[in-house]
Amino acid sequence: EPEVTQTPSHQVTQMGQEVILRCVPISNHLYFYWYRQILGQKVEFLVSFYNNEISEKSEIFDDQFSVERPDGSNFTLKIRSTKLEDSAMYFCASSAQTPGQGPGANVLTFGAGSRLTVL
Amino acid sequence: EDQVTQSPEALRLQEGESSSLNCSYTVSGLRGLFWYRQDPGKGPEFLFTLYSAGEEKEKERLKATLTKKESFLHITAPKPEDSATYLCAVLNAGGYQKVTFGTGTKLQVIP
Repeated sequence: EPEVTQTPSHQVTQMGQEVILRCVPISNHLYFYWYRQILGQKVEFLVSFYNNEISEKSEIFDDQFSVERPDGSNFTLKIRSTKLEDSAMYFCASSAQTPGQGPGANVLTFGAGSRLTVL
Repeated sequence: EDQVTQSPEALRLQEGESSSLNCSYTVSGLRGLFWYRQDPGKGPEFLFTLYSAGEEKEKERLKATLTKKESFLHITAPKPEDSATYLCAVLNAGGYQKVTFGTGTKLQVIP
Protein backbone atom coordinates (compact mmCIF):
# COMPACT_ATOMS: atom_id res chain seq x y z
CA GLU A 1 0.00 0.00 0.00
CA PRO A 2 1.39 3.44 -0.89
CA GLU A 3 2.66 5.46 2.02
CA VAL A 4 4.03 8.85 2.93
CA THR A 5 7.65 8.66 4.06
CA GLN A 6 9.23 11.16 6.45
CA THR A 7 12.82 11.71 7.49
CA PRO A 8 14.32 12.05 9.98
CA SER A 9 12.15 10.23 12.48
CA HIS A 10 13.71 12.23 15.32
CA GLN A 11 15.89 15.32 15.28
CA VAL A 12 17.42 17.12 18.21
CA THR A 13 18.67 20.66 17.59
CA GLN A 14 19.83 23.70 19.46
CA MET A 15 17.65 26.79 19.66
CA GLY A 16 18.38 29.14 16.77
CA GLN A 17 19.51 26.41 14.40
CA GLU A 18 17.91 25.71 11.04
CA VAL A 19 16.06 22.45 10.54
CA ILE A 20 14.80 20.79 7.37
CA LEU A 21 12.23 18.02 7.59
CA ARG A 22 11.74 15.89 4.53
CA CYS A 23 8.78 14.03 3.12
CA VAL A 24 8.09 11.84 0.13
CA PRO A 25 4.33 12.03 -0.56
CA ILE A 26 2.38 9.35 -2.39
CA SER A 27 3.44 9.55 -6.02
CA ASN A 28 0.12 10.34 -7.70
CA HIS A 29 -1.08 12.79 -5.05
CA LEU A 30 -1.29 16.45 -5.93
CA TYR A 31 -1.89 18.16 -2.59
CA PHE A 32 0.69 18.27 0.16
CA TYR A 33 0.45 19.39 3.76
CA TRP A 34 2.37 19.88 6.96
CA TYR A 35 0.68 19.49 10.32
CA ARG A 36 2.21 19.50 13.76
CA GLN A 37 1.27 18.01 17.11
CA ILE A 38 2.77 19.33 20.31
CA LEU A 39 2.94 16.60 22.94
CA GLY A 40 -0.49 16.04 24.46
CA GLN A 41 -2.19 18.54 22.19
CA LYS A 42 -4.23 18.36 19.02
CA VAL A 43 -3.01 18.01 15.46
CA GLU A 44 -2.68 21.52 14.00
CA PHE A 45 -2.64 22.61 10.36
CA LEU A 46 0.46 24.48 9.22
CA VAL A 47 0.36 24.74 5.44
CA SER A 48 -1.00 23.25 2.25
CA PHE A 49 0.80 23.18 -1.09
CA TYR A 50 -0.52 22.65 -4.59
CA ASN A 51 0.87 23.24 -8.05
CA ASN A 52 4.22 24.37 -6.63
CA GLU A 53 2.86 27.06 -4.40
CA ILE A 54 1.36 27.53 -0.97
CA SER A 55 -2.43 27.37 -1.21
CA GLU A 56 -3.24 28.01 2.43
CA LYS A 57 -1.35 28.58 5.66
CA SER A 58 -2.20 29.01 9.31
CA GLU A 59 -1.14 31.75 11.69
CA ILE A 60 1.46 29.36 13.08
CA PHE A 61 3.24 29.31 9.71
CA ASP A 62 5.12 32.57 10.08
CA ASP A 63 8.25 33.85 8.31
CA GLN A 64 10.41 31.31 10.14
CA PHE A 65 8.76 28.50 8.18
CA SER A 66 9.03 27.69 4.51
CA VAL A 67 8.09 24.78 2.28
CA GLU A 68 9.54 23.58 -0.97
CA ARG A 69 9.09 20.84 -3.52
CA PRO A 70 12.64 20.76 -4.88
CA ASP A 71 12.03 17.88 -7.28
CA GLY A 72 9.23 15.58 -8.39
CA SER A 73 9.18 13.51 -5.26
CA ASN A 74 10.31 15.41 -2.16
CA PHE A 75 8.43 17.96 -0.09
CA THR A 76 10.32 19.80 2.64
CA LEU A 77 9.56 21.98 5.65
CA LYS A 78 12.29 24.35 6.76
CA ILE A 79 12.37 26.12 10.09
CA ARG A 80 14.91 28.91 9.80
CA SER A 81 15.72 29.63 13.44
CA THR A 82 14.19 27.12 15.80
CA LYS A 83 12.60 28.09 19.11
CA LEU A 84 11.86 25.96 22.14
CA GLU A 85 8.15 26.09 21.31
CA ASP A 86 8.81 24.49 17.91
CA SER A 87 9.36 21.18 19.69
CA ALA A 88 6.64 18.91 18.35
CA MET A 89 5.86 16.00 16.07
CA TYR A 90 5.62 17.24 12.49
CA PHE A 91 3.43 15.27 10.13
CA CYS A 92 3.52 15.42 6.38
CA ALA A 93 0.35 14.43 4.55
CA SER A 94 -0.84 14.20 0.97
CA SER A 95 -4.18 13.83 -0.78
CA ALA A 96 -5.24 12.91 -4.25
CA GLN A 97 -8.66 14.39 -4.74
CA THR A 98 -9.53 17.95 -5.53
CA PRO A 99 -10.79 19.39 -2.26
CA GLY A 100 -14.50 19.05 -1.72
CA GLN A 101 -15.29 16.92 -4.72
CA GLY A 102 -16.42 13.35 -4.60
CA PRO A 103 -15.59 10.34 -2.48
CA GLY A 104 -12.12 10.52 -1.02
CA ALA A 105 -11.97 14.28 -1.24
CA ASN A 106 -9.67 15.78 1.36
CA VAL A 107 -8.74 12.36 2.72
CA LEU A 108 -5.29 12.88 4.13
CA THR A 109 -2.66 10.16 4.15
CA PHE A 110 -0.19 10.97 6.89
CA GLY A 111 3.39 9.95 7.34
CA ALA A 112 4.70 8.55 10.60
CA GLY A 113 6.02 11.95 11.64
CA SER A 114 9.31 13.63 12.48
CA ARG A 115 9.82 14.38 16.13
CA LEU A 116 11.66 17.68 16.59
CA THR A 117 13.24 18.45 19.94
CA VAL A 118 14.65 21.95 20.39
CA LEU A 119 17.05 22.40 23.31
CA GLU B 1 -13.34 29.90 13.92
CA ASP B 2 -14.01 26.18 13.50
CA GLN B 3 -14.09 24.22 16.74
CA VAL B 4 -14.09 20.50 17.44
CA THR B 5 -14.65 19.10 20.93
CA GLN B 6 -14.34 15.41 21.67
CA SER B 7 -15.53 13.49 24.69
CA PRO B 8 -14.62 11.67 26.73
CA GLU B 9 -10.89 12.44 26.76
CA ALA B 10 -10.18 8.84 27.70
CA LEU B 11 -12.27 5.69 27.75
CA ARG B 12 -11.45 2.31 29.17
CA LEU B 13 -13.57 -0.63 28.03
CA GLN B 14 -13.58 -4.33 28.65
CA GLU B 15 -13.25 -6.42 25.53
CA GLY B 16 -16.74 -6.80 24.07
CA GLU B 17 -18.17 -3.79 25.91
CA SER B 18 -19.73 -1.50 23.28
CA SER B 19 -19.64 2.28 23.62
CA SER B 20 -19.72 5.57 21.72
CA LEU B 21 -17.32 8.46 21.30
CA ASN B 22 -18.68 11.95 20.81
CA CYS B 23 -17.52 14.78 18.57
CA SER B 24 -19.25 18.16 18.80
CA TYR B 25 -18.38 20.67 16.15
CA THR B 26 -18.95 24.31 15.30
CA VAL B 27 -18.33 25.31 11.73
CA SER B 28 -19.91 27.96 9.54
CA GLY B 29 -20.55 25.44 6.80
CA LEU B 30 -19.54 21.80 6.85
CA ARG B 31 -17.83 20.37 3.80
CA GLY B 32 -16.85 17.16 5.54
CA LEU B 33 -16.34 15.54 8.94
CA PHE B 34 -13.56 13.01 9.27
CA TRP B 35 -12.64 10.31 11.74
CA TYR B 36 -9.03 9.21 12.06
CA ARG B 37 -7.32 6.66 14.26
CA GLN B 38 -3.90 7.47 15.74
CA ASP B 39 -1.63 4.88 17.31
CA PRO B 40 1.16 6.02 19.65
CA GLY B 41 4.09 7.54 17.79
CA LYS B 42 2.34 7.35 14.43
CA GLY B 43 0.43 9.60 12.10
CA PRO B 44 -3.37 9.64 11.96
CA GLU B 45 -4.94 6.96 9.79
CA PHE B 46 -8.14 7.73 7.90
CA LEU B 47 -11.32 5.91 8.89
CA PHE B 48 -14.41 7.75 7.57
CA THR B 49 -15.72 10.87 5.89
CA LEU B 50 -19.27 12.08 6.55
CA TYR B 51 -20.77 14.86 4.48
CA SER B 52 -24.33 15.50 5.60
CA ALA B 53 -26.62 15.02 8.60
CA GLY B 54 -28.13 11.55 8.75
CA GLU B 55 -25.22 9.91 6.97
CA GLU B 56 -23.70 6.74 8.43
CA LYS B 57 -20.55 4.82 7.55
CA GLU B 58 -19.40 1.43 8.85
CA LYS B 59 -16.14 -0.44 8.92
CA GLU B 60 -15.78 -3.66 10.87
CA ARG B 61 -16.65 -2.84 14.51
CA LEU B 62 -16.86 0.90 13.91
CA LYS B 63 -19.84 2.95 12.82
CA ALA B 64 -19.81 6.72 12.40
CA THR B 65 -22.93 8.87 12.37
CA LEU B 66 -23.50 12.57 11.78
CA THR B 67 -26.03 15.16 12.94
CA LYS B 68 -26.00 18.90 12.37
CA LYS B 69 -23.96 19.48 15.53
CA GLU B 70 -22.38 16.16 16.46
CA SER B 71 -20.84 13.00 15.22
CA PHE B 72 -20.65 9.71 17.06
CA LEU B 73 -18.23 6.86 16.61
CA HIS B 74 -19.88 3.70 17.84
CA ILE B 75 -17.63 0.79 18.71
CA THR B 76 -19.37 -2.57 18.87
CA ALA B 77 -17.77 -5.42 20.81
CA PRO B 78 -14.32 -3.85 20.78
CA LYS B 79 -11.11 -5.86 20.80
CA PRO B 80 -7.74 -4.92 22.33
CA GLU B 81 -6.44 -4.02 18.87
CA ASP B 82 -9.02 -1.23 18.74
CA SER B 83 -7.03 0.58 21.43
CA ALA B 84 -5.89 3.91 19.96
CA THR B 85 -6.68 7.60 20.00
CA TYR B 86 -9.65 8.45 17.78
CA LEU B 87 -9.58 11.89 16.20
CA CYS B 88 -12.47 13.85 14.78
CA ALA B 89 -11.82 16.62 12.26
CA VAL B 90 -13.85 19.06 10.16
CA LEU B 91 -13.37 20.86 6.88
CA ASN B 92 -15.12 24.18 6.46
CA ALA B 93 -17.10 24.68 3.27
CA GLY B 94 -15.78 28.23 3.01
CA GLY B 95 -12.22 27.22 3.59
CA TYR B 96 -9.97 25.49 1.15
CA GLN B 97 -7.79 22.77 2.63
CA LYS B 98 -7.37 23.43 6.33
CA VAL B 99 -8.72 20.51 8.36
CA THR B 100 -9.38 21.30 12.04
CA PHE B 101 -8.83 18.44 14.48
CA GLY B 102 -10.19 17.77 17.95
CA THR B 103 -7.96 16.63 20.79
CA GLY B 104 -9.13 13.05 20.46
CA THR B 105 -10.48 10.27 22.65
CA LYS B 106 -7.91 7.80 23.92
CA LEU B 107 -9.53 4.36 23.93
CA GLN B 108 -8.13 1.45 25.87
CA VAL B 109 -9.72 -1.98 25.44
CA ILE B 110 -8.79 -4.45 28.13
CA PRO B 111 -8.79 -8.20 27.41
